[in-house]
Amino acid sequence: NAGVTQTPKFQVLKTGQSMTLQCAQDMNHNSMYWYRQDPGMGLRLIYYSASEGTTDKGEVPNGYNVSRLNKREFSLRLESAAPSQTSVYFCASSEVGTGGAGAFFGQGTRLTVV
Amino acid sequence: QKEVEQNSGPLSVPEGAIASLNCTYSDRVSQSFFWYRQYSGKSPELIMSIYSNGDKEDGRFTAQLNKASQYVSLLIRDSQPSDSATYLCAVHNQAGTALIFGKGTTLSVSS
Repeated sequence: NAGVTQTPKFQVLKTGQSMTLQCAQDMNHNSMYWYRQDPGMGLRLIYYSASEGTTDKGEVPNGYNVSRLNKREFSLRLESAAPSQTSVYFCASSEVGTGGAGAFFGQGTRLTVV
Repeated sequence: QKEVEQNSGPLSVPEGAIASLNCTYSDRVSQSFFWYRQYSGKSPELIMSIYSNGDKEDGRFTAQLNKASQYVSLLIRDSQPSDSATYLCAVHNQAGTALIFGKGTTLSVSS
């Protein structure tokens, strides 16, 4: 019973490098999300996907791109990493719409950009 | 104005006391509300959901919702040191397609 699986768990990048964070869920949820969490800032929504084939910007989308590959997988790409993108990244999934059961989170990816 | 507001704390209570955590939200049409617990270095864990005005109880946890006042609260009875964590309030956006989080309240329960 894996739930939401993120890879990698830790990553160090040099400024300007690119990378893709992978996320997969096995709960047959329609909605998937990428958040970043910084000290004192709470969870901030980067992008979300309400269903396969759709993606929308959240609060802090600049510097990121996403792909909803299929219902299970939602990836986050940093094209040219910057030190300001040092953060903990969480992927989550949920049932879409009001009355949904809330989102379930992956283990997180701790990213450091030097 | 941020959509979901919480006092950052820390909120300190002695073991066995009631901890009261509060949250306000700005979008009047929000319909779904959630409380998450996050231990240091871990991912957020869903502990309560509430959709209707009033109280919802689950073990030592009670969620309270007042849509007219745009206010959600979480009460933790008989607080234990293991309850020490950051508690995050989350609200669905207007379209119901994304969860918006507050910054969280840090709770410390002393034995």
